Amino acid sequence: GESVGLHLPTLSVQEGDNSIINCAYSNSASDYFIWYKQESGKGPQFIIDIRSNMDKRQGQRVTVLLNKTVKHLSLQIAATQPGDSAVYFCAEYGGATNKLIFGTGTLLAVQP
Amino acid sequence: KAGVTQTPRYLIKTRGQQVTLSCSPISGHRSVSWYQQTPGQGLQFLFEYFSETQRNKGNFPGRFSGRQFSNSRSEMNVSTLELGDSALYLCASSLGPAQETQYFGPGTRLLVL
Repeated sequence: GESVGLHLPTLSVQEGDNSIINCAYSNSASDYFIWYKQESGKGPQFIIDIRSNMDKRQGQRVTVLLNKTVKHLSLQIAATQPGDSAVYFCAEYGGATNKLIFGTGTLLAVQP
Repeated sequence: KAGVTQTPRYLIKTRGQQVTLSCSPISGHRSVSWYQQTPGQGLQFLFEYFSETQRNKGNFPGRFSGRQFSNSRSEMNVSTLELGDSALYLCASSLGPAQETQYFGPGTRLLVL
């Protein structure tokens, strides 16, 4: 059958601003979450992860927040740069599936 | 340490043919997972191998198969190619089974005509 292309949510920000990318996950039994960045023509690149016993974790210019009550994950990027332009995926792991389940992704477009 | 490598990077095949893609994991990583990425379906899990055994399998037809060698390198095979198999095929490695942090290769872009 004919496939319909995924319409990626897009976040457009000015260089130097902070970016917040959101993700709703599906499985309440998931206990590990990862954010990946995928640039055009490349494979997903690991950015940061968080376990379900935490609600916040910080890396270099990035922070991940986890709200298990509403099954919501967010990625904050401070002082966004043109090199941050990419598609960002959240992924969840846990429960009986024993595999990573990816979200649909968000396109971050950084305007110089 | 070298990352995950995949060969070939690009491939063009015609319907009905079969294809074999190769993946070399990060040194010391023993688990390899395969994903299919398309604009229509996003990133979808194909299968995972550890110690030459398939540990987990996604919801794909039997035309999709894989294997892992004793050096942890992995191959996936798609037989009787269909137009809808055109996709980016990604390989990811992790230290071991149920090691959630996976590191991806650049992918193999397959076009089926």
